[in-house]
Amino acid sequence: SSELTQDPAVSVALGHTVRITCQGDTFRSYYATWYHQKPGQAPVLVLYGKNIRPSGIPDRFSGSSSGNTASLTITGAQAEDEGDYYCNGRDSSGNHLVFGGGTKLTVL
Amino acid sequence: QVQLVQSGSELKKPGASVKVSCKASGYSFTNYGMNWVRQAPGQGLEWMGWINTDTGNPTYAQGFTGRFVFSLDTSVSTAYLQISSLKAEDTATYYCARDVVTIIPGYWGQGTLVTVSS
Repeated sequence: SSELTQDPAVSVALGHTVRITCQGDTFRSYYATWYHQKPGQAPVLVLYGKNIRPSGIPDRFSGSSSGNTASLTITGAQAEDEGDYYCNGRDSSGNHLVFGGGTKLTVL
Repeated sequence: QVQLVQSGSELKKPGASVKVSCKASGYSFTNYGMNWVRQAPGQGLEWMGWINTDTGNPTYAQGFTGRFVFSLDTSVSTAYLQISSLKAEDTATYYCARDVVTIIPGYWGQGTLVTVSS
């Protein structure tokens, strides 16, 4: 298995840019997947593959990767972007998934 | 549109079993795998595994073998999660989530809260 490490909490001023990171060896081989979860709701897929946004996800969300670190960048954060963000990736076998611990984003 | 509708909340005693259903609509059921994800109260997401809806072959994550069983009824486009010998630590919300591509969960059910308490 592999571990994915996220910062527990990040804050950003309204309209500013924020980067949420996720560390794990898997990202040397595989793309990260990112989810957004608001309290009491199911997670929503935000980004997967090589910077693929599902329909309905604003283009202020983008992804990148360097070495063992995957990043989700929100350019011009909005109030509705508050919540928990989880990264997800394949483990060393490539056949299982693992989630990061989550990052709580606060928009000030 | 893709919809996953899960069964309602459950309250069970320790040692009992529970079966959570996930009814899919809006797409061809056997074309996409189905994942199961657990979220304990106030905690993060845990990937439990997935089931190939075409072959019925399940894959279980470490920590979810033995008491956890994924199954299907393709005639009604429904996936199931059964948990036996329930423990208090199984108290969680359980989500089904359909792949967008192989084992990338994309469409999520609303979640089913399973509470295990004597």
